[in-house]
Amino acid sequence: SQKIEQNSEALNIQEGKTATLTCNYTNYSPAYLQWYRQDPGRGPVFLLLIRENEKEKRKERLKVTFDTTLKQSLFHITASQPADSATYLCALLSNDYKLSFGAGTTVTVRA
Amino acid sequence: GAVVSQHPSRVICKSGTSVKIECRSLDFQATTMFWYRQFPKQSLMLMATSNEGSKATYEQGVEKDKFLINHASLTLSTLTVASAHPEDSSFYICSAQGTGLETQYFGPGTRLLVL
Repeated sequence: SQKIEQNSEALNIQEGKTATLTCNYTNYSPAYLQWYRQDPGRGPVFLLLIRENEKEKRKERLKVTFDTTLKQSLFHITASQPADSATYLCALLSNDYKLSFGAGTTVTVRA
Repeated sequence: GAVVSQHPSRVICKSGTSVKIECRSLDFQATTMFWYRQFPKQSLMLMATSNEGSKATYEQGVEKDKFLINHASLTLSTLTVASAHPEDSSFYICSAQGTGLETQYFGPGTRLLVL
């Protein structure tokens, strides 16, 4: 069966450190892998998209890697700030343009 | 750019009533809109996909007679929960995708509580 697993439900880190989140998938051949941020009671906000032929993508303090052999993506938040505290969702886009989501990892950045 | 709104943001209703949720793309034309449901501490689950002017395509296990979707224009889709029951209480989120946009953009969500 198809599965998307994000490494942990919660991650607590000190301000200024790098948060690393993992997304593993099985029985998917995604065209794209995406990361979203979701705050409590709000819809997801798109952060980054990485294509199957791309290894790494950056946007400001965010970095995403995509290893289609390992079927894994890593999402890094560098120089983390309390404002980065949120739930981060990994999502795979299949060829029929449907998104499948992981359960998310809740990041808490302590000042 | 790529802003999606939802209305209402929160609704409380009695069991047996029908509830309509609107999803609008504010600054682009949405060729496809998607409706998701999210229970607490769970991931978003796709309910249905709708293309403007066509019937919606429902995911397995989603009752089309219960969750009525209308995508009447390129900027508006509505989800009606017919005869809502307490088990329909959830967070409903829409998303929209338009020509030239590389991904879906999500609305802020609607919290439905059925008493």
